[in-house]
Amino acid sequence: SQWGEENLQALSIQEGEDVTMNCSYKTYTTVVQWYRQKSGKGPAQLILIRSNEREKRSGRLRATLDTSSQSSSLSITGTLATDTAVYFCATDRGSALGRLHFGAGTQLIVIP
Amino acid sequence: DAGVTQTPRHEVAEKGQTIILKCEPVSGHNDLFWYRQTKIQGLELLSYFRSKSLMEDGGAFKDRFKAEMLNSSFSTLKIQPTEPKDSAVYLCASSLETKNTEVFFGKGTRLTVV
Repeated sequence: SQWGEENLQALSIQEGEDVTMNCSYKTYTTVVQWYRQKSGKGPAQLILIRSNEREKRSGRLRATLDTSSQSSSLSITGTLATDTAVYFCATDRGSALGRLHFGAGTQLIVIP
Repeated sequence: DAGVTQTPRHEVAEKGQTIILKCEPVSGHNDLFWYRQTKIQGLELLSYFRSKSLMEDGGAFKDRFKAEMLNSSFSTLKIQPTEPKDSAVYLCASSLETKNTEVFFGKGTRLTVV
């Protein structure tokens, strides 16, 4: 398996709180992508961070990538109830951006 | 501009039946991917096409799963014969090879095999 943490984790927080989700991977990757999947929908890409970037921001989202420890994190500031979803990190398998190893995901529940 | 369209959204099949799932990628995208999602295994890559050519035909899924892309705007995934263990959500995704920034997923087809 590509992933250090295989079990689907669950987090439950109050609206307005900040949250950070982590993932670690085993083999070298040039890209880490973070996805959000809401109930009944397909995954939606949130942030793509490349191996030459340590941090990337998009609105309330911030992703980090540490290639030395082979880990990545996604932080959400000021969570909203609409952030409730499963969040996945994914590494590329090469050849195409959509050839991905997905982690097990983190179920985030934001309580209004 | 339409995203990735998958039909049907839900499918119920009896064991042994043949089912065909359909996918229309984002217009102009030349990379297309089929994934399977289950609670136990998570998201697994089944097949990958580039410019209609099959580039990857995922290993363990080969024997009863066949993905095809007869034109650049339409792909099918055939499962023949279906087994109860095939119950899952099947997702289609597309991206543009030359714009290496974003992958778009469809809403998926939920398959239940009884």
